[in-house]
Amino acid sequence: SQQGEEDPQALSIQEGENATMNCSYKTSINNLQWYRQNSGRGLVHLILIRSNEREKHSGRLRVTLDTSKKSSSLLITASRAADTASYFCATPTHEFYFGSGTKLNVKP
Amino acid sequence: DGGITQSPKYLFRKEGQNVTLSCEQNLNHDAMYWYRQDPGQGLRLIYYSQIVNDFQKGDIAEGYSVSREKKESFPLTVTSAQKNPTAFYLCASSIVGAYTEAFFGQGTRLTVV
Repeated sequence: SQQGEEDPQALSIQEGENATMNCSYKTSINNLQWYRQNSGRGLVHLILIRSNEREKHSGRLRVTLDTSKKSSSLLITASRAADTASYFCATPTHEFYFGSGTKLNVKP
Repeated sequence: DGGITQSPKYLFRKEGQNVTLSCEQNLNHDAMYWYRQDPGQGLRLIYYSQIVNDFQKGDIAEGYSVSREKKESFPLTVTSAQKNPTAFYLCASSIVGAYTEAFFGQGTRLTVV
């Protein structure tokens, strides 16, 4: 399948620190997306980066994409306790496949 | 307000019973999806549909069935053939196209008692 795989599986940081999580995928893509899931809730779309883009910013989020390495990274700067959630990447084609996610814990 | 609604939020089922989970969207999206999520795990695709009266199996379709009689609705039936149905079920929808995002409902937590 087209699913991406996120790493690390879990990440624990202090408020104010930056959080970086990675996504690797196997096949060619036309875009890669990052989603966030608060505990017990649905996923929420964060950001989409196209295959011809290398970097994209949205507020405190920075996404990079390296198609030669088939990998992407999501950086959350100046993290807050409210950023505590699971983060997933997706490389959609006709459907959306998600990996196992990175569980981020931001300690106040 | 546009959105995607799943009901009920919590559902209890006795072993051997079929149960149907509801998913309705008013976003005018052609594509709809069902996922299963086990505790601490990622999402696994059960079924998806890109057009009314048509749907495809995902990775874990066994023990589940769906219908797509209306664009707005994509109900999921968990049948008695599903051996371990206790899980969190998520429904999503999207526009069909290359650069679209998925919109998710708030999920239904199914527990077999």
